[in-house]
Amino acid sequence: GAGVSQSPSNKVTEKGKDVELRCDPISGHTALYWYRQSLGQGLEFLIYFQGNSAPDKSGLPSDRFSAERTGGSVSTLTIQRTQQEDSAVYLCASSLSGSTLSYNEQFFGPGTRLTVL
Amino acid sequence: AQSVTQPDIHITVSEGASLELRCNYSYGATPYLFWYVQSPGQGLQLLLKYFSGDTLVQGIKGFEAEFKRSQSSFNLRKPSVHWSDAAEYFCAVVVPGAGSYQLTFGKGTKLSVIP
Repeated sequence: GAGVSQSPSNKVTEKGKDVELRCDPISGHTALYWYRQSLGQGLEFLIYFQGNSAPDKSGLPSDRFSAERTGGSVSTLTIQRTQQEDSAVYLCASSLSGSTLSYNEQFFGPGTRLTVL
Repeated sequence: AQSVTQPDIHITVSEGASLELRCNYSYGATPYLFWYVQSPGQGLQLLLKYFSGDTLVQGIKGFEAEFKRSQSSFNLRKPSVHWSDAAEYFCAVVVPGAGSYQLTFGKGTKLSVIP
């Protein structure tokens, strides 16, 4: 079946503009995660969704970052007033469930490379 | 908070040579442990995982890893490296029962393979 897909694959924007990054998880996966991969910080957790709710937003670096998930499926990560330090690859992952007693493997998408000029 | 250390930023090996990538974690109990591989321009692929039980785990592509509780380590090994193994490797942990099962990653080790 189809894996996790993300769009766009590449995004170049100017400092101060808003951007939206999209993630389509694997069908039937109720848990969805966003991570950020940057040269300086490595791979960092941003936010976790279980269904449409986000019980863990602890990794969002500032209030310029927000995310939503609708219909328990597609998720959008929005970065407002982008800064150069936001340049990174944004990875999305999904799993069957993220909050049961048993761990379910996270499957990663190819990422969106964001460049802020 | 848990943390993961991969001491080697970059390793170069000859094709056919053996490989060991180091990983140490810091956490009060034994977390779930993972190794991922990322090829250029690709997403992360799970190589293997350890939850409990046998401390030597086998993964895909001929990789194995050994969990050593006394050393808080989970080193990745391969007996004979192929040129296609050139990639970046990430060790990661999950705290069981913490709710979100978010992955905490090490900084990664880039593997170069000399033909």
